[in-house]
Amino acid sequence: NAGVTQTPKFQVLKTGQSMTLQCAQDMNHEYMSWYRQDPGMGLRLIHYSVGAGITDQGEVPNGYNVSRSTTEDFPLRLLSAAPSQTSVYFCASSYSSRNEKLFFGSGTQLSVL
Amino acid sequence: TQLLEQSPQFLSIQEGENLTVYCNSSSVFSSLQWYRQEPGEGPVLLVTVVTGGEVKKLKRLTFQFGDARKDSSLHITAAQPGDTGLYLCAGAVSNQGGKLIFGQGTELSVKP
Repeated sequence: NAGVTQTPKFQVLKTGQSMTLQCAQDMNHEYMSWYRQDPGMGLRLIHYSVGAGITDQGEVPNGYNVSRSTTEDFPLRLLSAAPSQTSVYFCASSYSSRNEKLFFGSGTQLSVL
Repeated sequence: TQLLEQSPQFLSIQEGENLTVYCNSSSVFSSLQWYRQEPGEGPVLLVTVVTGGEVKKLKRLTFQFGDARKDSSLHITAAQPGDTGLYLCAGAVSNQGGKLIFGQGTELSVKP
């Protein structure tokens, strides 16, 4: 019973590099989202999707892109990494909407040098 | 910008003590969730409260939703080292289609 799977667990990038954080869920959830967690700031929503082919911006979308070609996968792309994007990133899903019980992945710790 | 103020930010207590964590906002929430997060893992939902004044119990944890649905508290009785972790509240804002906002979190350390 995998739930929400995130890869990689850790990543170090240089400023300007690009990369994709992967997220997959096997619960047939319609809603998927990406959060970043920074000390003293809780979880902040980056982007979310209410179904395949539908994405929207959250609270802090700048510097990130997403797409949702399948129900299962919701990758997060950093186009040109900046030190301000150093954070822990969590993917989360729920059955149908953003205010239902969220199932979180185990996170990706990203450092941008 | 809606804010969900969580306090205290840090709490270090001895095993057996009681504690209360608070979440307060000026926004009205249609529901409020409490999550617990362990190091290196994602948050896990503990409980959802929906009705103003609602009280829910989960073993030694008691969750309360304020009458006006703007605040919530988590009370732990006789804390144990296994309660150590980051506790997060998250409120679904009523007049914004259920947009979920998170508090800053309370880092709890229970020493044996």
